[in-house]
Amino acid sequence: DAKTTQPTSMDCAEGRAANLPCNHSTISGNEYVYWYRQIHSQGPQYIIHGLKNNETNEMASLIITEDRKSSTLILPHATLRDTAVYYCIVREYTGAQKLVFGQGTRLTINP
Amino acid sequence: GAGVSQSPSNKVTEKGKDVELRCDPISGHTALYWYRQSLGQGLEFLIYFQGNSAPDKSGLPSDRFSAERTGGSVSTLTIQRTQQEDSAVYLCASTRGTNTEAFFGQGTRLTVV
Repeated sequence: DAKTTQPTSMDCAEGRAANLPCNHSTISGNEYVYWYRQIHSQGPQYIIHGLKNNETNEMASLIITEDRKSSTLILPHATLRDTAVYYCIVREYTGAQKLVFGQGTRLTINP
Repeated sequence: GAGVSQSPSNKVTEKGKDVELRCDPISGHTALYWYRQSLGQGLEFLIYFQGNSAPDKSGLPSDRFSAERTGGSVSTLTIQRTQQEDSAVYLCASTRGTNTEAFFGQGTRLTVV
């Protein structure tokens, strides 16, 4: 079972920052937070991951609360191409751990 | 190739027939995963390979489903005596190590009629 909860859907205006929340209150010390997205009819695409520090790459920023029980994925300047289902996943660092996908958040970017 | 390749991209089969789905992972990626996604649903884990061995087969829904991987590279997912409920998109992913990002293929859309 997925260890995360996310809103079912969100809307954001094009050009604005999209902030996608994720709750993972049972996360353990050796589990990372991963974000993937799935654009319609495509395979999931990796976005970013982190342990406890905030992370940023060319696609997004990941803000993890100090207690690590929740996180927020930030798309700084959303475009229409960012419309997708966004999945927040927790995964152990060591060993062969499969990615367990929940239902994700369906993000719609509006013009 | 540059990414994970799956074939065929689409497969229509009659109920009761066997099908084979193929996955070519990214060269050098040691781990390979199979997932299934039914229409409008999330991804359902099926099986995981590390090299040629499958330490986690917990997601295979029945004994009609099997998978193998040879040479630490190509993997084949076989569904015997297909049923209509097997209709879904079957996705393959590979990773370089055990905690690196997973790269997904575009999937095989299986329709059982």
